[in-house]
Amino acid sequence: DAGVIQSPRHEVTEMGQEVTLRCKPISGHDYLFWYRQTMMRGLELLIYFNNNVPIDDSGMPEDRFSAKMPNASFSTLKIQPSEPRDSAVYFCASSRWGEQYFGPGTRLTVT
Amino acid sequence: DAKTTQPPSMDCAEGRAANLPCNHSTISGNEYVYWYRQIHSQGPQYIIHGLKNNETNEMASLIITEDRKSSTLILPHATLRDTAVYYCIVSPSHGSSNTGKLIFGQGTTLQVKP
Repeated sequence: DAGVIQSPRHEVTEMGQEVTLRCKPISGHDYLFWYRQTMMRGLELLIYFNNNVPIDDSGMPEDRFSAKMPNASFSTLKIQPSEPRDSAVYFCASSRWGEQYFGPGTRLTVT
Repeated sequence: DAKTTQPPSMDCAEGRAANLPCNHSTISGNEYVYWYRQIHSQGPQYIIHGLKNNETNEMASLIITEDRKSSTLILPHATLRDTAVYYCIVSPSHGSSNTGKLIFGQGTTLQVKP
């Protein structure tokens, strides 16, 4: 298996623009997680899905953030409008039995 | 807030065993102890997990005290590639209402030296 795939790997955008991050989980995994990592706050869980249904979005910072999982093999995290404080590395992870497998992350820079 | 306490940093000589401690005194009966590590600029990597008994896999061994209030991750023969931040996390078992909520603390930065 190719592991968890994320795209793009790097994204640079201007404040106010819409940003869409993409994730393909490992085939057969029924849980999908979105995390954000910054120097100040470390690794934070934003939202997770089970069988394509959002279970807990309490970590989503504000309404500018939204996440979808239209099918078992694809998820998106959207930020609209983006702000400089959204600059971070965003990780997607998937799991089946408990241990989570992380993707390589998307480094987002908002100028 | 993270439910675990780890030393912020540790050093280990290459080829020697690295023993990384973790305190989780408030662990609940249905919570597992998970260990992950993050090598610089990469996503976190799952290492091992356990509930009560000691566990071993190809990467490491996990020793959990009988009262489950602390644990130790052991890398038997550390290499330079093991230099990373190691996270100890307690998390409910899969299928429970809070499954998957990994709360990452600051972890232990392990520096393996030649």
